[in-house]
Amino acid sequence: DSGVTQTPKHLITATGQRVTLRCSPRSGDLSVYWYQQSLDQGLQFLIQYYNGEERAKGNILERFSAQQFPDLHSELNLSSLELGDSALYFCASSVLRGNTEAFFGQGTRLTVV
Amino acid sequence: AQKITQTQPGMFVQEKEAVTLDCTYDTSDQSYGLFWYKQPSSGEMIFLIYQGSYDEQNATEGRYSLNFQKARKSANLVISASQLGDSAMYFCAMREGGTSYGKLTFGQGTILTVHP
Repeated sequence: DSGVTQTPKHLITATGQRVTLRCSPRSGDLSVYWYQQSLDQGLQFLIQYYNGEERAKGNILERFSAQQFPDLHSELNLSSLELGDSALYFCASSVLRGNTEAFFGQGTRLTVV
Repeated sequence: AQKITQTQPGMFVQEKEAVTLDCTYDTSDQSYGLFWYKQPSSGEMIFLIYQGSYDEQNATEGRYSLNFQKARKSANLVISASQLGDSAMYFCAMREGGTSYGKLTFGQGTILTVHP
């Protein structure tokens, strides 16, 4: 168990809908990352938050947004969903200092039908 | 240009034998970190091993070792005494820059199949 909790584990929704994915980082980790894993794009970095503030942005679509709350949990909002958004979405968290690994949650498998 | 390249889409190994999974990287940073993760069919990402760019010795973690050749920009994962449970997708990843909390850039992965 990595200590990073993601909910829900599975999500099936229709095109055009909006969903929210939730992530609770490991206790004490201030940094949260979101990644998307799809068959054609592989593992892609979406966005990073550090202590409530956006720190880095990757290949995140404008239809997607994220935030990190004062209790450090994070949410990834996906709107106007398309079939191509079907993917495994990971949240990861890491410590502030030291070159340690990012701890990944178990992922949310999103299926858009 | 690809920052992390894993040239082996799939690898096969006999149980109890060693296997090397290749990874080359591209960065102009002097300080960076290299990681290997395992993703079994259940989907979770499991951290295996880490190598810092300034580490002089190759990293080892149990049956995993990282063959770090800085001049060649390669960071191959060696799994000794393969087990059936090692069958999974393996990803090489890099964190650039001197921070400990930057994003990871992943390679495309290598599917390892261990035969009995």
